[in-house]
Amino acid sequence: NAGVTQTPKFQVLKTGQSMTLQCAQDMNHEYMSWYRQDPGMGLRLIHYSVGAGITDQGEVPNGYNVSRSTTEDFPLRLLSAAPSQTSVYFCASSTDRIATNEKLFFGSGTQLSVL
Amino acid sequence: SQQGEEDPQALSIQEGENATMNCSYKTSINNLQWYRQNSGRGLVHLILIRSNEREKHSGRLRVTLDTSKKSSSLLITASRAADTASYFCATAVYNQGGKLIFGQGTELSVKP
Repeated sequence: NAGVTQTPKFQVLKTGQSMTLQCAQDMNHEYMSWYRQDPGMGLRLIHYSVGAGITDQGEVPNGYNVSRSTTEDFPLRLLSAAPSQTSVYFCASSTDRIATNEKLFFGSGTQLSVL
Repeated sequence: SQQGEEDPQALSIQEGENATMNCSYKTSINNLQWYRQNSGRGLVHLILIRSNEREKHSGRLRVTLDTSKKSSSLLITASRAADTASYFCATAVYNQGGKLIFGQGTELSVKP
């Protein structure tokens, strides 16, 4: 049972480049979300989705785009990477469409460096 | 500013001792959750306590919630070296169904 799978595990970008962080879950969870983790800042919510076709902004959405065309996948796009986006990114999912009524299952993270 | 703030930021104890971590938050919540993160890994859910509950236990973990003080505590009893990790509280903010907001975490070190 794979759970929440994130790819790639590591990525180095140059300022201005674009890329997509992939997240897939095989638990048929309605809710999916993206967090970034920076030293001393804990985890901050970027975007979340309560089902296919529905997305909403979290605490720090600027510079990131998301879409949810299927229940399984929730990619995070950086259109023009900036050094401030250097961080560890975590994808998480939940059984509950309202999400916060139940626990989150986390992926293992993507470490992104923007030079 | 973040919804949840944890105290202390770092805690170092000996094996066998108890570890207590505190979490304070600002707004009304539906529930409060605690997660654990080992170095370089993703987060793992430990326990969820709903706003109408005051105390919950799971193995060596005991969580309390005081909604009047907007605070929660996580107690790990008889700690082990394997409990060394970062611990985060997360609040499900009332009337914001999609948002689970994390605190900055407490880094626990348990020395053998």
